[in-house]
Amino acid sequence: EAGVAQSPRYKIIEKRQSVAFWCNPISGHATLYWYQQILGQGPKLLIQFQNNGVVDDSQLPKDRFSAERLKGVDSTLKIQPAKLEDSAVYLCASSLDRLAVDTQYFGPGTRLTVL
Amino acid sequence: AQSVSQHNHHVILSEAASLELGCNYSYGGTVNLFWYVQYPGQHLQLLLKYFSGDPLVKGIKGFEAEFIKSKFSFNLRKPSVQWSDTAEYFCAVNAGYSSASKIIFGSGTRLSIRP
Repeated sequence: EAGVAQSPRYKIIEKRQSVAFWCNPISGHATLYWYQQILGQGPKLLIQFQNNGVVDDSQLPKDRFSAERLKGVDSTLKIQPAKLEDSAVYLCASSLDRLAVDTQYFGPGTRLTVL
Repeated sequence: AQSVSQHNHHVILSEAASLELGCNYSYGGTVNLFWYVQYPGQHLQLLLKYFSGDPLVKGIKGFEAEFIKSKFSFNLRKPSVQWSDTAEYFCAVNAGYSSASKIIFGSGTRLSIRP
């Protein structure tokens, strides 16, 4: 079974530029998550989708971050404009359903450096 | 609000030593508890989880964790560690039965095993 795919793996940009990350979840997984992991911290949930609808985006900085999951499969997370404090690893995860006990399967992450 | 504390940021052990990593959470109701592990260069993956029943949970690679409700704790244990257990370990909690409440991760404990 193929895992969660993410691209790119690394990205370096200057502040005020824009950047986009792509995620392809495990086939058949209805729930998709985007996390931000700053160095030395645990992952922090940014947004959660159930199929193509948003379940929770309470911690997404909506003035600069946006995400979509068209057709309920792939998802894109965008930052525009980027700030220095956005430097982090952005993780995508998926789970079969949205139950609290469901295991989340994580992708390799995209390491973003903002200069 | 839920929170998770992992007090040990970096643990260094010799092979064959016993391991216990602390995890405490703050939430008074029903909780689902997880330990995730990230081996060097690999994705975050589930080690074990608790959602009901026997408070002693066994996971992969000889790990186990005990849920002690009165202490709000979910410590991870392994009787004899190996060099291959070198990794970062994250405790996580999700309250309730649905994923309306988000999963919260601790800040992680880095485990280094001396061969």
